Amino acid sequence: DAGVTQSPTHLIKTRGQHVTLRCSPISGHKSVSWYQQVLGQGPQFIFQYYEKEERGRGNFPDRFSARQFPNYSSELNVNALLLGDSALYLCASSSQGTQYFGPGTRLTVL
Amino acid sequence: AQSVTQPDIHITVSEGASLELRCNYSYGATPYLFWYVQSPGQGLQLLLKYFSGDTLVQGIKGFEAEFKRSQSSFNLRKPSVHWSDAAEYFCAVGAPGGSYIPTFGRGTSLIVHP
Repeated sequence: DAGVTQSPTHLIKTRGQHVTLRCSPISGHKSVSWYQQVLGQGPQFIFQYYEKEERGRGNFPDRFSARQFPNYSSELNVNALLLGDSALYLCASSSQGTQYFGPGTRLTVL
Repeated sequence: AQSVTQPDIHITVSEGASLELRCNYSYGATPYLFWYVQSPGQGLQLLLKYFSGDTLVQGIKGFEAEFKRSQSSFNLRKPSVHWSDAAEYFCAVGAPGGSYIPTFGRGTSLIVHP
């Protein structure tokens, strides 16, 4: 079975631009979460969606938003990019209390 | 709110030696506990998890972890390390019920010498 997939793999943007990251969960999983991982740190929780409803939000500014589609795939949007938004963005789908991660999208903001 | 401490930023072992990575958590009741491994530039792979029952949990790649309630610990062990085990290891704690969103430690980098 296919695992969690994310696109794109890498992305380079400049300050002030907007970015959209995409995630497809494991088949049958209805919950998707997004994490930001900066170098040398563990993943930090951004959002969780379940059945298209936001179930949780981490301590991130309003520049970060997300949504989940009827097929349970998800998008993470970041507006007005800052240098500090450079990170690995991880998507995870979950079932019965366990999160399964995708390979991530490496975002570089110049 | 739950929290996780991984006191060792780096651990260096020789290939074939045993390994123990430490993890301490803070949570008011019995939490869900996880260990994940991350190779450079990759996502996180689940090694093992503890929800309830037997406190010694077996995982993939020959890893095991033991939940010790009295010490609020969930240390990861492997009897004989292989060079391919070199990676970043993350301990995570989740609250049973609700959204199960885990909190991650900062990670321990494992270096394996030949």
